[in-house]
Amino acid sequence: KAGVTQTPRYLIKTRGQQVTLSCSPISGHRSVSWYQQTPGQGLQFLFEYFSETQRNKGNFPGRFSGRQFSNSRSEMNVSTLELGDSALYLCASSLAFLSTGTFGSGTRLTVV
Amino acid sequence: ELKVEQNPLFLSMQEGKNYTIYCNYSTTSDRLYWYRQDPGKSLESLFVLLSNGAVKQEGRLMASLDTKARLSTLHITAAVHDLSATYFCAVDLRGEIQGAQKLVFGQGTRLTINP
Repeated sequence: KAGVTQTPRYLIKTRGQQVTLSCSPISGHRSVSWYQQTPGQGLQFLFEYFSETQRNKGNFPGRFSGRQFSNSRSEMNVSTLELGDSALYLCASSLAFLSTGTFGSGTRLTVV
Repeated sequence: ELKVEQNPLFLSMQEGKNYTIYCNYSTTSDRLYWYRQDPGKSLESLFVLLSNGAVKQEGRLMASLDTKARLSTLHITAAVHDLSATYFCAVDLRGEIQGAQKLVFGQGTRLTINP
């Protein structure tokens, strides 16, 4: 059974650029959540999607956005990158109810 | 705003010893998770606790939940080096939409087990 796939694994971007990260959930999972992990702020919730609808959103600026496609794959986009956006971005997929969620390997974004 | 606090944040212990990591949270929730993270790796799910008094055990790790005290514990029995990792608890803070997940994580406990 394939796990949660995140691409790319590593990414280096320059300040001011934008970036798109991808997450393919486990087959049959319809909920995808995104998290940002940094040494200073720890793990923080970004947003959650279910059936192409955003159901929850964390306290991040509007530069952070996401979407989910009909096949449950999700993308998150960060525009006008700042140095502080350097982080490990994790996505998790679940069946939504009574599920612990399975995390992908993450995308490590470095903004220079 | 929900706060999830773990203690200790750093723990160095000898193999064979027992210890407990504590996770306190500040609002009502009936769903709590424990995860393990190795350096440079993603999160590995350990336990999901769904009700007051829930206790789950896997090998040398045992987790429990007291929703009235808003406290979960992760107990390590007879620690071995392979358990060295960072452990996170997370509380599921439900949104207005039923089933929508939003995990609020503790700061993590970095556990080092020395031979």
